[in-house]
Amino acid sequence: QVQLQESGPGLVKPSETLSLTCTVSGGSISSFYWSWIRQPAGKGLEWIGRTQTGGITNYSPSLKSRVTMSLDTSKNQVSLNLSSVTAADTAIYYCAREYTNSSGRTFDYWGQGTRVTVSS
Amino acid sequence: DIQMTQSPSSLSASVGDRVTITCRASQSINSYLNWYQQKSGEAPKLLIYAASSLQSGVPSRFSGSGSGTDFTLSISSLQPEDFATYYCQQAYTTPRTFGQGTRVEIK
Repeated sequence: QVQLQESGPGLVKPSETLSLTCTVSGGSISSFYWSWIRQPAGKGLEWIGRTQTGGITNYSPSLKSRVTMSLDTSKNQVSLNLSSVTAADTAIYYCAREYTNSSGRTFDYWGQGTRVTVSS
Repeated sequence: DIQMTQSPSSLSASVGDRVTITCRASQSINSYLNWYQQKSGEAPKLLIYAASSLQSGVPSRFSGSGSGTDFTLSISSLQPEDFATYYCQQAYTTPRTFGQGTRVEIK
């Protein structure tokens, strides 16, 4: 059974960089896209971007200038860096696996989420 | 970006009721439409993929339909554990986008 676990600081100061890690167990991170999705308190889901082995990335246009994602296959980890954060970046951050087959493309496994607050 | 619009934003229903939620895409997404259920304090859970395929382990009272721009999620007989927020999501192109959510509450 694939399991995802997000980790990182729960509090980040404005203008600094938010850095999170998603550790994947029960399966390899190779051959899948791994996405980061966030959810401000009481609001909906926002896709931040995704990454795959080989350095392939796709980012949300609204966040592209501030986002970097990467994989560490030796540690089975996915990382997210979001620079120049403001209070608007306060949210629960989820990592999710995107599974693709002939039938469709889905976020089939999710982490439990990690809450990040941007405040001085 | 493809905009996903759900309706209603919230609804109140009783156990045993049939519930239908609609999702409209701002352009055709073929059948690249997924539905997720999110309970309070939990991560979203995949219910329906490719518009109408039931994810393994999901009760058969859940069903999905549609293609192109208009989609529906139906719950044939609402159960106590179904009170949650439901999101549609397009997987046709990046950026992936979600509907704003439909909160299903107890009447």
